[in-house]
Amino acid sequence: EPEVTQTPSHQVTQMGQEVILRCVPISNHLYFYWYRQILGQKVEFLVSFYNNEISEKSEIFDDQFSVERPDGSNFTLKIRSTKLEDSAMYFCASSEGGYSDEQYFGPGTRLTVT
Amino acid sequence: DQQVKQNSPSLSVQEGRISILNCDYTNSMFDYFLWYKKYPAEGPTFLISISSIKDKNEDGRFTVFLNKSAKHLSLHIVPSQPGDSAVYFCAAGFGDGGSNYKLTFGKGTLLTVNP
Repeated sequence: EPEVTQTPSHQVTQMGQEVILRCVPISNHLYFYWYRQILGQKVEFLVSFYNNEISEKSEIFDDQFSVERPDGSNFTLKIRSTKLEDSAMYFCASSEGGYSDEQYFGPGTRLTVT
Repeated sequence: DQQVKQNSPSLSVQEGRISILNCDYTNSMFDYFLWYKKYPAEGPTFLISISSIKDKNEDGRFTVFLNKSAKHLSLHIVPSQPGDSAVYFCAAGFGDGGSNYKLTFGKGTLLTVNP
């Protein structure tokens, strides 16, 4: 069964460093998302992406964040200058359509900022 | 901003009995609701969904009920099995008519099914 994959599974970085989290969505999906979950809190929407542009972003997704689909398979989330409060699980998701199609989630990348 | 609320952080049931997980929402724009299951160290896994034009959707042991007037939905698992033990997230979304469709999640309920 097709699945969303994410690398790395765990990333440790120092405050102020740039990190790139990678995702390979399901191949025939057209809509891509990033969510995050801070330990003990709920899963929060960060950004949605369709047709090579951002559809919507939350207030969390500030200028330090960017997303890119550099080729036909990868979908990346970049944090330019990490802060301690960026430590969280980051989940990539994809869906075949936009409206009401189920979003399939990857296993997540645990980002630890020290 | 808790547009989607799961007020029970945990629930414990016996194997074979019914598990009922509840979710309330405040945003009347939501028109699609989903339940996800999450095991530790894994991403959320889609379970079942319901559109706002329906009040019930069933898939095997899982049934979701929607009460729009009360802004309440519930997930019923019958019979419950030990493998169902996980965190269950309620999520809601609405389309903007374009390409956007984001999900808003509740905080989750940890279900433990005891053998």
